[in-house]
Amino acid sequence: SQQGEEDPQALSIQEGENATMNCSYKTSINNLQWYRQNSGRGLVHLILIRSNEREKHSGRLRVTLDTSKKSSSLLITASRAADTASYFCATDATRSSYKLIFGSGTRLLVRP
Amino acid sequence: EPEVTQTPSHQVTQMGQEVILRCVPISNHLYFYWYRQILGQKVEFLVSFYNNEISEKSEIFDDQFSVERPDGSNFTLKIRSTKLEDSAMYFCASFSLAEGYNEQFFGPGTRLTVL
Repeated sequence: SQQGEEDPQALSIQEGENATMNCSYKTSINNLQWYRQNSGRGLVHLILIRSNEREKHSGRLRVTLDTSKKSSSLLITASRAADTASYFCATDATRSSYKLIFGSGTRLLVRP
Repeated sequence: EPEVTQTPSHQVTQMGQEVILRCVPISNHLYFYWYRQILGQKVEFLVSFYNNEISEKSEIFDDQFSVERPDGSNFTLKIRSTKLEDSAMYFCASFSLAEGYNEQFFGPGTRLTVL
């Protein structure tokens, strides 16, 4: 079955540093999305990258996708304390009801 | 900006009771979903709904669960007889294929606590 898994599980960095989170999955996908979740709160969509794209930018976010390795990375540059949250990748399988399969997430702590 | 809304934000119930969680998806979306997240765990797919019927469901979505779109705007998740392990955050999401493979829009969630 398809599964998105992130690493690291937890990441602690100093404000101003870059944070990189990785995600791996198992089956063919239409697209891969990254979401952010503050503790106990809802899911905020960050960025979507389609299966035929290799890299995408949005503000301080940079996402890469390597379909040959079935992996993606999310880079947050010049991190801020407000970036502290959990980050999840979610994949949308090519043969499904477009449901999303979420990874287990990376808990990011940005120290001021 | 259009958004998905969910009510209530928090529901506390006794084990064995029925609960109905409500969602109002974005108005021109055609695909609807329920997901759940047990505290500290990943978000899990429960069910997808399209064209007034379930299009896919997970093994979590057993006979105790049902979904309905009673009036063309609301989308509900019913748990007939709640169990302690149903305690979780439940998220509704909607999606439009018309504009290509776009993001799923998630509601803020309903926190269900079963005592």
